[in-house]
Amino acid sequence: EAQVTQNPRYLITVTGKKLTVTCSQNMNHEYMSWYRQDPGLGLRQIYYSMNVEVTDKGDVPEGYKVSRKEKRNFPLILESPSPNQTSLYFCASSTGASGYTFGSGTRLTVV
Amino acid sequence: KQEVTQIPAALSVPEGENLVLNCSFTDSAIYNLQWFRQDPGKGLTSLLLIQSSQREQTSGRLNASLDKSSGRSTLYIAASQPGDSATYLCAVETTDSWGKLQFGAGTQVVVTP
Repeated sequence: EAQVTQNPRYLITVTGKKLTVTCSQNMNHEYMSWYRQDPGLGLRQIYYSMNVEVTDKGDVPEGYKVSRKEKRNFPLILESPSPNQTSLYFCASSTGASGYTFGSGTRLTVV
Repeated sequence: KQEVTQIPAALSVPEGENLVLNCSFTDSAIYNLQWFRQDPGKGLTSLLLIQSSQREQTSGRLNASLDKSSGRSTLYIAASQPGDSATYLCAVETTDSWGKLQFGAGTQVVVTP
């Protein structure tokens, strides 16, 4: 089944403790990206990648890091999480012409 | 910068009525426009993708149109059912921002039995 898989689905962590949210796609898509969704602010892009070793900032990149060492994986790293990063996170992938496939989401709470 | 607006923000209809959801965008140089459905606290499910060269797409009871010159897309859902209750999101990818979707705020739909 073609899909984007995120892990974990739920995560509660403490301020300052580094964490990684993984994202993997099995469709050989070139494009991958991360979004966060917040009430009243909607979906906003954090980072995106056009291909292996090619990444760029989205609208709200502060406090996040990404890497694209393999085509199928695009992890999101929070090196020092803060409470304002509490949000619902989505990973997405696309070939460009095919439209976007989204993962099921990761609900992160930083206390 | 592309801005995407969805009207209305919320909609409640009785079962069986047709739904009309609107999406407007400010930059007509779009590459793709995609409609998604989101259930509370869940992921985004792709409904329809309209490429720049297309005027409409259909899937079952769903039909989406695209008018680039007026900066509008409309999603029609025929003969609504309670299971259609969800938030519907419109997202646009422009030709100078490949890899980035700009989302509208969504229309929350409730279909009452």
